[in-house]
Amino acid sequence: DSGVTQTPKHLITATGQRVTLRCSPRSGDLSVYWYQQSLDQGLQFLIQYYNGEERAKGNILERFSAQQFPDLHSELNLSSLELGDSALYFCASSVELAGWGDNEQFFGPGTRLTVL
Amino acid sequence: AQSVTQLGSHVSVSEGALVLLRCNYSSSVPPYLFWYVQYPNQGLQLLLKYTSAATLVKGINGFEAEFKKSETSFHLTKPSAHMSDAAEYFCAVSGGGSNYKLTFGKGTLLTVNP
Repeated sequence: DSGVTQTPKHLITATGQRVTLRCSPRSGDLSVYWYQQSLDQGLQFLIQYYNGEERAKGNILERFSAQQFPDLHSELNLSSLELGDSALYFCASSVELAGWGDNEQFFGPGTRLTVL
Repeated sequence: AQSVTQLGSHVSVSEGALVLLRCNYSSSVPPYLFWYVQYPNQGLQLLLKYTSAATLVKGINGFEAEFKKSETSFHLTKPSAHMSDAAEYFCAVSGGGSNYKLTFGKGTLLTVNP
């Protein structure tokens, strides 16, 4: 158990809909990362938040957005869903000490999104 | 920009045989390198990481990896495969500084045959 929790575990929805994925980081971790894992794209970084502020953006679509709340949990919002958005979405957290690039990221179990 | 190439999307070994999973990286800054393992229907678990302290890194479950700057490689090895090692393995690179995101390779699926 990594200490990172994600809800829900599975989500089935239809094209055009909007969903929200939730992540609670490990106690004490200020940084949250979102990754998407799909068969064709592999594991791709989407976005990072650090202590409530957006820190870095990766290959995140404009239809997707995220935020980190004062209690440090994070939500990833996916809207106008398309079939191609079906994937496993992982959240990871790290303590992220300044200047330490080897900050270990702890991954949650993921949310499997199926868009029909 | 950073990138990782994992040679071989599928590696099959016999139980007790040597495991060798290959990873080459590209980075414009001194890299931090990681190996993660993903068991079916689970998240990613860190096996080991290279942080420039030592070129030979020992991880969990008997795995180790050697950082070779001249070859830009960070191959993962285990002397004797066990059935429980069957999983997908991902090599990843992080750039350090203020760039902590992980860039992953496409993964190598390890099958262990009895």
